[in-house]
Amino acid sequence: NAGVTQTPKFQVLKTGQSMTLQCAQDMNHNSMYWYRQDPGMGLRLIYYSASEGTTDKGEVPNGYNVSRLNKREFSLRLESAAPSQTSVYFCASRPGLAGPPYEQYFGPGTRLTVT
Amino acid sequence: QQQVKQSPQSLIVQKGGISIINCAYENTAFDYFPWYQQFPGKGPALLIAIRPDVSEKKEGRFTISFNKSAKQFSLHIMDSQPGDSATYFCAAISGAGSYQLTFGKGTKLSVIP
Repeated sequence: NAGVTQTPKFQVLKTGQSMTLQCAQDMNHNSMYWYRQDPGMGLRLIYYSASEGTTDKGEVPNGYNVSRLNKREFSLRLESAAPSQTSVYFCASRPGLAGPPYEQYFGPGTRLTVT
Repeated sequence: QQQVKQSPQSLIVQKGGISIINCAYENTAFDYFPWYQQFPGKGPALLIAIRPDVSEKKEGRFTISFNKSAKQFSLHIMDSQPGDSATYFCAAISGAGSYQLTFGKGTKLSVIP
């Protein structure tokens, strides 16, 4: 099993450009998450999907949109990138209500720079 | 409002020493307190977790101590090794119906030979 995979690994955008970060998991998990990690700020939740067909805002949703394409895939879209969105983005998944609520599996991250 | 406060921000420990990272929380509705470990260039990975009805949990060289009355919990790494050098995040979450982990800001641990 590959676990949680993210593409691309690195990306450089100009201000105002748009892009979609892709995430997929092969563990048959119900819940998926998008976080951003900035120096000294820890991990902040952008959006999450508790189950296929649902999405909810997290702590820092402004400037982002998400799509839960199916049970495996959860994408994050930046419609008009801004320098403040320069960050490392992590996707994560969680088995579901049957497992521990604190157990999330993280992907390797996408490092995004907006100039 | 930061609901989980973590300290120190960085920590340098000699090989063989004890590393201690502390966290404090405000929300008494939290039910679980996990710790995540992140190596450079990788995503975080679950290390160990505790419930508030337990005062201590040990897994190998890693121990969580929990003080419910003080609303504090800590991670102790015994016999610290250079391979333990990583960033450690404490976190908290409410019961099984909750989906959002609240993370501390992280502690960068460096274990020097």
